[in-house]
Amino acid sequence: EVQLVQSEAEVKKPGESLKISCKGSGYSFTNYWIGWVRQMPGKGLEWMGIIYPGDSDTRYNPSFQGQVTISADKSISTAYLQWSSLKASDTAMYYCARPKSPGASNYGMDVWGQGTTVTVSS
Amino acid sequence: DIVMTQSPDSLAVSLGERATINCKSSQSVLYRSNDKNYLAWYQQKPGQPPKLLIYWASTREFGVPDRFSGSGSGTDFTLTISSLQAEDVAVYYCQQYDSTPYTFGQGTKLEIK
Repeated sequence: EVQLVQSEAEVKKPGESLKISCKGSGYSFTNYWIGWVRQMPGKGLEWMGIIYPGDSDTRYNPSFQGQVTISADKSISTAYLQWSSLKASDTAMYYCARPKSPGASNYGMDVWGQGTTVTVSS
Repeated sequence: DIVMTQSPDSLAVSLGERATINCKSSQSVLYRSNDKNYLAWYQQKPGQPPKLLIYWASTREFGVPDRFSGSGSGTDFTLTISSLQAEDVAVYYCQQYDSTPYTFGQGTKLEIK
């Protein structure tokens, strides 16, 4: 079964760092882009960026560039989203998702992780 | 960035009736060399991740009921549910994947009247 399994919910304080993960299984992880999507409480979906684990080619939404880092470790089929200094406004659900076609970032996303809730509060 | 605007923001439809959601992009997402519209529709139910319904504006994802259909080209798109079922209550999003950032519409909340 093709799936993306994300790390557990996190509760952090402002200024702390955080790295959440998304592990792919059931398919060739290096051949598919992996994207990250933010959903703030009660709000819509925001596309944050996308990475190709095969060569770590990464595209960011300018709105998130410099605020987060997207990376991947193809040896363990895992993508990451990390913050160096969290803010309260980073409180949200974060989803990883895979475009439907190998090698293409520009496709509908047919496989989604279950989401990781990040809560940032003092 | 391409701005995606959905209408309406919310919609109440009786069971068995047709539901129509519109999505407009600020620039064309039709790639003329392959005549494909880089537009997807997703359904999100409470507490769940989004689910892909439609891609290339009108291609139904495997396993999606045929009461769901997508249409449109260029900048104007429509998701139609031909006969609303109770399990269709959800928020629906369009997304363009023509150029990064691959932006979403703001969502349309569909309820039962």
